[in-house]
Amino acid sequence: GENVEQHPSTLSVQEGDSAVIKCTYSDSASNYFPWYKQELGKRPQLIIDIRSNVGEKKDQRIAVTLNKTAKHFSLHITETQPEDSAVYFCAARSSSASKIIFGSGTRLSIRP
Amino acid sequence: NAGVMQNPRHLVRRRGQEARLRCSPMKGHSHVYWYRQLPEEGLKFMVYLQKENIIDESGMPKERFSAEFPKEGPSILRIQQVVRGDSAAYFCASSPPTRSRETQYFGPGTRLLVL
Repeated sequence: GENVEQHPSTLSVQEGDSAVIKCTYSDSASNYFPWYKQELGKRPQLIIDIRSNVGEKKDQRIAVTLNKTAKHFSLHITETQPEDSAVYFCAARSSSASKIIFGSGTRLSIRP
Repeated sequence: NAGVMQNPRHLVRRRGQEARLRCSPMKGHSHVYWYRQLPEEGLKFMVYLQKENIIDESGMPKERFSAEFPKEGPSILRIQQVVRGDSAAYFCASSPPTRSRETQYFGPGTRLLVL
């Protein structure tokens, strides 16, 4: 069935440095890739998404890239700040399916 | 414009009791999804509903779990005869009935604890 792999499971970076989280998906029909941020005890919040007709999307310090051939997509956070500390989830959805499949999450810690 | 609402936020049940979790989607949204999140784990899809219809329940356990989204009122996720393994955070999400329905917005979740 559909599967989304996410790496790394934990990531610690110095404040101001960049953070990169990588995901792969198995369903070649996937065409929508959202990223969610979840702070401790809070709801997942959509931070950025990308559709399969584009290769890259940027929103201030956050960017996503998509390689459809390799079935890889990545989240890049530049100039990290303490408030970026959270668990980040990638996800993928197929046009033929009704559900979003989530990765297992990356716990990002920003060191002051 | 209120976001997705869920209640209760916390629910404690003893083994064998029933748990009822409610979700009110964002205004104008007609698609509801339920997810379960175990501690330190990701979100697992359970069920996708539209008004009065279950579209995809492939993630629902075959026994004890049921969901509905009536014409009027919130969506309900019902767990009968709860067991300790049902302890988790249950999130619902909603999306609009348009081409952009793929974007899901999450509620605050219900944290179920089974004693």
